[in-house]
Amino acid sequence: AQSVTQLGSHVSVSEGALVLLRCNYSSSVPPYLFWYVQYPNQGLQLLLKYTTGATLVKGINGFEAEFKKSETSFHLTKPSAHMSDAAEYFCAVTILTGGGNKLTFGTGTQLKVEL
Amino acid sequence: NAGVTQTPKFRVLKTGQSMTLLCAQDMNHEYMYWYRQDPGMGLRLIHYSVGEGTTAKGEVPDGYNVSRLKKQNFLLGLESAAPSQTSVYFCASSYSSPYEQYFGPGTRLTVT
Repeated sequence: AQSVTQLGSHVSVSEGALVLLRCNYSSSVPPYLFWYVQYPNQGLQLLLKYTTGATLVKGINGFEAEFKKSETSFHLTKPSAHMSDAAEYFCAVTILTGGGNKLTFGTGTQLKVEL
Repeated sequence: NAGVTQTPKFRVLKTGQSMTLLCAQDMNHEYMYWYRQDPGMGLRLIHYSVGEGTTAKGEVPDGYNVSRLKKQNFLLGLESAAPSQTSVYFCASSYSSPYEQYFGPGTRLTVT
């Protein structure tokens, strides 16, 4: 079975600083990886995804993530944080099983952006 | 397109009462899912469906039932609500693997 670990349930950065949210996965077969963002009192919105091909993937709002198989990681980064980035971020993994595309989520990282 | 919608947005139940949460999607997605979100635990899959008339158990199915009589709708039922079912419930839908899931706005359920 696949799993996801997000290191740091709360991360605080200054506006304009680098954002780095960590995600490590466990999977016995090639994974498909996703980052979702959740703003207060809303549903989850896809930021970016890795399926196959290029290991550096770019998403919305200036975020990107790099799939590193050797490190089983899929960390999310943004060069310069903005106040509007304050939200909860979830990493998720799925594998191709032909039976439902079930996502396994990490426990989330709450990002706080300070002036 | 409305995307994924959920009804109701909020609900308060007493222990032992029953209710049904409705999820609807207008994207012609084959797959639909119900999750619950609890603080510090991320989202956990309750039940899912890979097509009209089919359902399957997820990670935390106990105390819930589901039905998918129409492709666009996925219903989640609580037959006898318990305080442990106080949570935020999210519905999602997707095309078949490995496409991303699209989420509804959530239903906040409190069981007293």
